[in-house]
Amino acid sequence: EDKVVQSPLSLVVHEGDTVTLNCSYEVTNFRSLLWYKQEKKAPTFLFMLTSSGIEKKSGRLSSILDKKELFSILNITATQTGDSAVYLCAVDSNSGYALNFGKGTSLLVTP
Amino acid sequence: GAVVSQHPSWVICKSGTSVKIECRSLDFQATTMFWYRQFPKQSLMLMATSNEGSKATYEQGVEKDKFLINHASLTLSTLTVTSAHPEDSSFYICSARDLTDYNSPLHFGNGTRLTVT
Repeated sequence: EDKVVQSPLSLVVHEGDTVTLNCSYEVTNFRSLLWYKQEKKAPTFLFMLTSSGIEKKSGRLSSILDKKELFSILNITATQTGDSAVYLCAVDSNSGYALNFGKGTSLLVTP
Repeated sequence: GAVVSQHPSWVICKSGTSVKIECRSLDFQATTMFWYRQFPKQSLMLMATSNEGSKATYEQGVEKDKFLINHASLTLSTLTVTSAHPEDSSFYICSARDLTDYNSPLHFGNGTRLTVT
């Protein structure tokens, strides 16, 4: 059975800190790994990763994939209170294009 | 980029009534749409895969007679929660991807928060 495991499940940091969120997976026919940010509504897309070792970057957020060790990390530098959200990792495994989601990491950034 | 519109954004209904939720892909055609459900502080759980012009595929444990899915066109899928009960109260999210773009991510509607009283 396909599995996506995120850690930690929750995290509290101070503004300005750097955080690293982890996602490990076990899937058959891996196609891509995606990160989403979810605030009060539906998830918004952050990154899609398909190749190992290539960092994707958007402002203070960056992510990288290791297909050999089957994990990805999402880094957020100089965190702001607006970064407070649940960060979801999902894997696309070619099985009908539906995504398999992890449980998410709930991040709280305090002023 | 691809946009998915979901309506209504929230609904309150009485136990025993039915509620219909619409999901539209606004600038692309979606032969397949996905319906997820999310309970408080939990992740998204796939309920069913909606296929245009054919029957939906339901995940294990999801009652197909309770959660009716219709995908009558390439841009519209509907989910009807029939004879709703308080335990059906949840956040329902539809999603779709542009299959003409192999590298496109899954895009989500804004979700529907259903409360059954």
